[in-house]
Amino acid sequence: AQSVTQLDSQVPVFEEAPVELRCNYSSSVSVYLFWYVQYPNQGLQLLLKYLSGSTLVKGINGFEAEFNKSQTSFHLRKPSVHISDTAEYFCAVSRETSGSRLTFGEGTQLTVNP
Amino acid sequence: NAGVTQTPKFQVLKTGQSMTLQCAQDMNHEYMSWYRQDPGMGLRLIHYSVGAGITDQGEVPNGYNVSRSTTEDFPLRLLSAAPSQTSVYFCASSRWTGYNEKLFFGSGTQLSVL
Repeated sequence: AQSVTQLDSQVPVFEEAPVELRCNYSSSVSVYLFWYVQYPNQGLQLLLKYLSGSTLVKGINGFEAEFNKSQTSFHLRKPSVHISDTAEYFCAVSRETSGSRLTFGEGTQLTVNP
Repeated sequence: NAGVTQTPKFQVLKTGQSMTLQCAQDMNHEYMSWYRQDPGMGLRLIHYSVGAGITDQGEVPNGYNVSRSTTEDFPLRLLSAAPSQTSVYFCASSRWTGYNEKLFFGSGTQLSVL
């Protein structure tokens, strides 16, 4: 079975500052990795995903993530955040054979302050 | 395009009552699933389906039943509600291609069991 650990439950930052949300995973087989975002009172939306190929993945809204197989990490980054980026962010993993069945991390609440 | 529609948005039950959470999608997705979201625990998979007539258990299936008689609908039934089932429930759907397709989420049902 696979598991996901998001290392920070809350990350407060000031507007226009860079941010990194950390995600580690464990699995004995090849995995696919995802970041989803949940704005207040809404369902989750896909930010980006890593299936194969380049380890640097670019997503929507200026976010990017880097897959590091040796460190089993998939950290999410944005060079300059906006107030509108305030949301909860979830890292998720699935095995190659499990299709859309995702295992989610606990979530990281990103709060961008003016 | 409506996407994934969940009803109701809010529900309060007494212990022992039964109810059905509705989920419908209009994207002709083969895969549908139910997650529950609890603070500090992320999203956990309850049940999923890869097509009409096919369902399977996820990580936390106890106390919940599902069926899939059509491609569009995937209701979640609580036969005898318990306070431990107080949570926010999300329905999600995607294509089922053998690859890890993007999940589309509904806006959630907030359930309180007293």
